Amino acid sequence: AQKITQTQPGMFVQEKEAVTLDCTYDTSDQSYGLFWYKQPSSGEMIFLIYQGSYDEQNATEGRYSLNFQKARKSANLVISASQLGDSAMYFCAMTYTGFQKLVFGTGTRLLVSP
Amino acid sequence: GAVVSQHPSRVICKSGTSVKIECRSLDFQATTMFWYRQFPKQSLMLMATSNEGSKATYEQGVEKDKFLINHASLTLSTLTVTSAHPEDSSFYICSATSGVGGTDTQYFGPGTRLTVL
Repeated sequence: AQKITQTQPGMFVQEKEAVTLDCTYDTSDQSYGLFWYKQPSSGEMIFLIYQGSYDEQNATEGRYSLNFQKARKSANLVISASQLGDSAMYFCAMTYTGFQKLVFGTGTRLLVSP
Repeated sequence: GAVVSQHPSRVICKSGTSVKIECRSLDFQATTMFWYRQFPKQSLMLMATSNEGSKATYEQGVEKDKFLINHASLTLSTLTVTSAHPEDSSFYICSATSGVGGTDTQYFGPGTRLTVL
């Protein structure tokens, strides 16, 4: 069964600094997708970035990049130049080919201070 | 693109009443929609998977007769909480995807906060 582990319940970072949110996954499938979502206090889930298991390059979307280390089964999210608006819960999730369900981690709460 | 709306955003009802929550994909056709439940400070728990024109697939432990799901069109799915009780109070959030493969991105609605008195 697929499993996502986020070991950091909370992270603190100062504005303009970079922060890495950890995510490890467990699967025996060869084809899978990894996602990061942001959930602000309003509750909506905002899609940030996607990495396919066969993608050779790390995904990047603006200030977000995914540090994908397939052999270590890790998919850490890197946020560069943190902003106050980045304060939110961040969820790592995965799914795999032919199986559309998203498996979520427990989330990491990020707090960006001025 | 990829906008999903949900209505209502917040609902308060009396115990025993039924509540309907709508989930709409605004700018794409959603082959599959998902319904999640989230308790405070916890992750999302998948309740059911809904495909247009077919019966929803419920996760283990989710009561089908309690949580009725209808996916009548490629842009609309509804969740009806029947005979709601205080323990049904939660944050319900839907997602939608236009793909058929497992690695397609799910886009989420803004969620509905249900409070049952």
